[in-house]
Amino acid sequence: EAGVAQSPRYKIIEKRQSVAFWCNPISGHATLYWYQQILGQGPKLLIQFQNNGVVDDSQLPKDRFSAERLKGVDSTLKIQPAKLEDSAVYLCASSFIRGTRYEQYFGPGTRLTVT
Amino acid sequence: KNEVEQSPQNLTAQEGEFITINCSYSVGISALHWLQQHPGGGIVSLFMLSSGKKKHGRLIATINIQEKHSSLHITASHPRDSAVYICAVRLPTMEYGNKLVFGAGTILRVKS
Repeated sequence: EAGVAQSPRYKIIEKRQSVAFWCNPISGHATLYWYQQILGQGPKLLIQFQNNGVVDDSQLPKDRFSAERLKGVDSTLKIQPAKLEDSAVYLCASSFIRGTRYEQYFGPGTRLTVT
Repeated sequence: KNEVEQSPQNLTAQEGEFITINCSYSVGISALHWLQQHPGGGIVSLFMLSSGKKKHGRLIATINIQEKHSSLHITASHPRDSAVYICAVRLPTMEYGNKLVFGAGTILRVKS
């Protein structure tokens, strides 16, 4: 079974530029998550999709961050314009639940540096 | 106060030592996850617990629901165990849609 794919793995941009990250979840996983992980902290949920609908985007800074999952499969996360404090690892994850069994799988992450 | 607290933040051990990482949480949960994150790598799930104890190789995870506390133990530690260990609690499904809330992680370094 292929894992969660993310690209790019690394990105360096200047502040006020824009950037986009891509995620391809595990086939058949209806739920997709984007997390932001700042160095020394645990991941923080930015947005959760169930198929192509948003379940939770309460911690997404909507003035500069946007995300979409148009066909309920791939997803993109965009930052425009970027700030220095956006430097972090952006993790995508997907999950399935079958009865009492729940598994969430994480992608390798995209390390963003804003200079 | 964070909903999920881990201790210690940093841990250095000698190869072969028994290691314990603790996690306390303050919210109602449906399950607790222990995750491992290697430098530059993604996150791997080690355990999912809703009660009792689980063992996988040299790793043991326990949870006390009443005390809202979980521990991750590593027996006979090895340098390849060096990683960040993250505790995450899964909020009740009906209200929160399986949302995970993460601790800050414990950075473990095992020296040979």
